[in-house]
Amino acid sequence: KQEVTQIPAALSVPEGENLVLNCSFTDSAIYNLQWFRQDPGKGLTSLLLIQSSQREQTSGRLNASLDKSSGRSTLYIAASQPGDSATYLCEVNGQNFVFGPGTRLSVLP
Amino acid sequence: DAGVIQSPRHEVTEMGQEVTLRCKPISGHNSLFWYRQTMMRGLELLIYFNNNVPIDDSGMPEDRFSAKMPNASFSTLKIQPSEPRDSAVYFCASKSQLGGELFFGEGSRLTVL
Repeated sequence: KQEVTQIPAALSVPEGENLVLNCSFTDSAIYNLQWFRQDPGKGLTSLLLIQSSQREQTSGRLNASLDKSSGRSTLYIAASQPGDSATYLCEVNGQNFVFGPGTRLSVLP
Repeated sequence: DAGVIQSPRHEVTEMGQEVTLRCKPISGHNSLFWYRQTMMRGLELLIYFNNNVPIDDSGMPEDRFSAKMPNASFSTLKIQPSEPRDSAVYFCASKSQLGGELFFGEGSRLTVL
């Protein structure tokens, strides 16, 4: 059964810092991996989708990488802003669809 | 496109009552998912449909929970009878194909007293 973990559970950084969020999974037989952000009381917003054949995807200040063999994905946020404050979740799509517990990010002005 | 539409946004009910949550997926999407989110357990997949057919309902917690998808543009999640431990936010999500990008609705916050 796929297990997904995210480290750290929470992170607080000053505005302008570059940061990395981590997502690990136990079963490398996946089709794709998706990163989401969730604001308090809201639904999940898709950020990036990486197919299993891809190594990375970029959207603006966000870059997500995927290393299937090691069971890891990272989400890199450049020049963080207070508006980036949210919970970030990864979802691994393989034999089943499993979400990680999320990383709660606070970017301080 | 209006995105995934869920109703009601908020529901407060008493234990033992029937609860029906509704979802309209994005037009043209073939896969629909129901999730439950709680502080203790995070996001849990309850059931998903592909082309209106339930594929995996192993996440449905008990027989009190049932889900239907009578057509490509509508799905319901029903809890009967409801219990206080069912209190959670229930999300519906859809994607164009099983390997595609997943889009979420705003959720239905259920409180069972």
